[in-house]
Amino acid sequence: QLQLQESGPGLVKPSETLSLTCTVSGGSISSSNYYWGWIRQPPGKGLEWIGSMYYSGSTYYNPSLKSRVTISVDTSNNLFSLRLSSLTAADTAVYYCARLLSDDDAFDVWGQGTMVTVSS
Amino acid sequence: QSALTQPASVSGSPGQSITISCTGSNSDVGGYDYVSWYQQHPGKAPKLMIYDVRKRPSGVSNRFSGSKSGNTASLTITGLQAEDEADYYCCSYAGSSTWVFGGGTKLTVL
Repeated sequence: QLQLQESGPGLVKPSETLSLTCTVSGGSISSSNYYWGWIRQPPGKGLEWIGSMYYSGSTYYNPSLKSRVTISVDTSNNLFSLRLSSLTAADTAVYYCARLLSDDDAFDVWGQGTMVTVSS
Repeated sequence: QSALTQPASVSGSPGQSITISCTGSNSDVGGYDYVSWYQQHPGKAPKLMIYDVRKRPSGVSNRFSGSKSGNTASLTITGLQAEDEADYYCCSYAGSSTWVFGGGTKLTVL
């Protein structure tokens, strides 16, 4: 059974860069049938798509975050990562990683999420 | 890329049916048959309930159904149960390998 697990710091200072990792177990990140993505949810608010990537390294970002986001893949360790720079309090959120069905454009498997607080 | 529009809240009594709308534009909902719906209980990760407008993943109750007309997609839940009380989000492919979510709808089972 495929599982995704986010990991990273729970507290980051303003203006710094957030680095999160999503480890995939029970399946290969290199499958041609899937993309992999990051979604976030500020406290009490809705979901926001951050970006997605294909195992080959192709990346796609939310235009509103594109200047600050980098998503990368490590196929040898079956994981992918998110970097978000120039953090502000508005980036405080639960960050989820998820698998995206490439033919159906739906996020079918999600990690449990990790809370990130931006505060000095 | 603007968030899709959903009602903030809907409610219904056990056994009744409810419908949640999700309105976008020709660039997302109206342009592609790639609308999905997610159920989220408090403190939990979202769960895929509907994809490709009207398809149900294995294990999802047939009480959940999806449809689309023009720029508006809809999620209908029949035979409401207490366990259906949750937040629901729509999501649409928006072209150029981008996706956009709705603002979410809180379903209350009275």
